[in-house]
Amino acid sequence: QVKLVESGGGVVQPGKSLRLSCAASGFTFTTYGMHWVRQPPGKGLEWVAVISDDASQKYFTDSVKGRFTISRDDSKSTVYLQMHSLRAEDTAVYYCAKDSVAGIDSWGPGTLVIVSS
Amino acid sequence: VVMTQTPLSLSVTPGQPASLSCKSSQNLLHSDGKTYLDWYLQKPGQSPQLLIYEASNRFSGVPDRFRGSGSGTDFTLKISRVEAEDVGVYYCMQRIQLPWTFGQGTRVDFK
Repeated sequence: QVKLVESGGGVVQPGKSLRLSCAASGFTFTTYGMHWVRQPPGKGLEWVAVISDDASQKYFTDSVKGRFTISRDDSKSTVYLQMHSLRAEDTAVYYCAKDSVAGIDSWGPGTLVIVSS
Repeated sequence: VVMTQTPLSLSVTPGQPASLSCKSSQNLLHSDGKTYLDWYLQKPGQSPQLLIYEASNRFSGVPDRFRGSGSGTDFTLKISRVEAEDVGVYYCMQRIQLPWTFGQGTRVDFK
């Protein structure tokens, strides 16, 4: 079955960088786009970024454009979210999620990022 | 695209029906004939899970007491008989236009 496991979260100071990883298994990784979705503590869901199956297309929500990048390593079945110039408002649980024709059909357990001095 | 869900909170009696609403600021009907509106449930302490995709299609393994309907900009998720495992926050999400956007969520709990 599909398994997505995020890692890399933690406490980071404002203005610093952090890289999140998501290890995928249980499906043919190279044939699916991958998303990052975040959820601030006690709040709702916010879609952050997507990378296509062949990495040729990458899209971001406006609030992270120019600060976050998304990439994938098909040899490791892993997708990454590189976050720069972090702000307090980036504090959230970050979910890795698998794309499908039915939308986002699988989610990881999430990794918590806290931006605080 | 702005997604607006109502109500924000819903207390239900076990075994009774529930109806959740989601409205979008733009038409979610694509030129390919599909309507790109999905419903997710986030149970307490868990990650979201897909319930309904393209407005009315139940995802694999989703009980048939869940029914999605609607078109254009107005959508509804109905639960025919709410069970204990159905409590949590329900989100609608549009994916006709990037960035994909979620509604604020409807929290469903028991009376």
